[in-house]
Amino acid sequence: GIQVEQSPPDLILQEGANSTLRCNFSDSVNNLQWFHQNPWGQLINLFYIPSGTKQNGRLSATTVATERYSLLYISSSQTTDSGVYFCAVEVLTGGGNKLTFGTGTQLKVEL
Amino acid sequence: DVKVTQSSRYLVKRTGEKVFLECVQDMDHENMFWYRQDPGLGLRLIYFSYDVKMKEKGDIPEGYSVSREKKERFSLILESASTNQTSMYLCASSSNGNTDTQYFGPGTRLTVL
Repeated sequence: GIQVEQSPPDLILQEGANSTLRCNFSDSVNNLQWFHQNPWGQLINLFYIPSGTKQNGRLSATTVATERYSLLYISSSQTTDSGVYFCAVEVLTGGGNKLTFGTGTQLKVEL
Repeated sequence: DVKVTQSSRYLVKRTGEKVFLECVQDMDHENMFWYRQDPGLGLRLIYFSYDVKMKEKGDIPEGYSVSREKKERFSLILESASTNQTSMYLCASSSNGNTDTQYFGPGTRLTVL
């Protein structure tokens, strides 16, 4: 099956710093999504981004499908950005948008 | 807002017990999923369902079964719980739209003693 690798596995930032998280995948994908899991365990979709660039406030994401990677940018980080960031890819399987997740980047933003 | 609820936030069971984890979604979604999350392994798909009474194995189905008798409800069953099934279990749902994401429940942290 498809492999999804995320880096770095762990990251500690001072509040206000910027960061870039990376997701590499081993095969062509139908779509790619970024999720944030808060410290209480709730997973929320951040971006649906099979290709190109999208921005939402302090967050933006870029996917280069031909080179099989995606980047998530966090600018002016805040303590509420802490948690785990997952990249997930979908490969066409005939239905149901089944996702394969990476192992995540654990982010801690400190004051 | 889409809402996905799971029957328990925390659950403690003994080895050999039969365990039911329930998931309900209120958005009339066709697709429902069960994942387990373990440190360093991310989310791994156990089973999913495209429609009522339909089910498909995910990446790690061994030791689990599922039931989908109604569109809004997807149950995960551990026939005989074992200690290696101690984990966080997450349910998700999605529609069949091309750009729709999966919406997740709050998770059930299961401990098997």
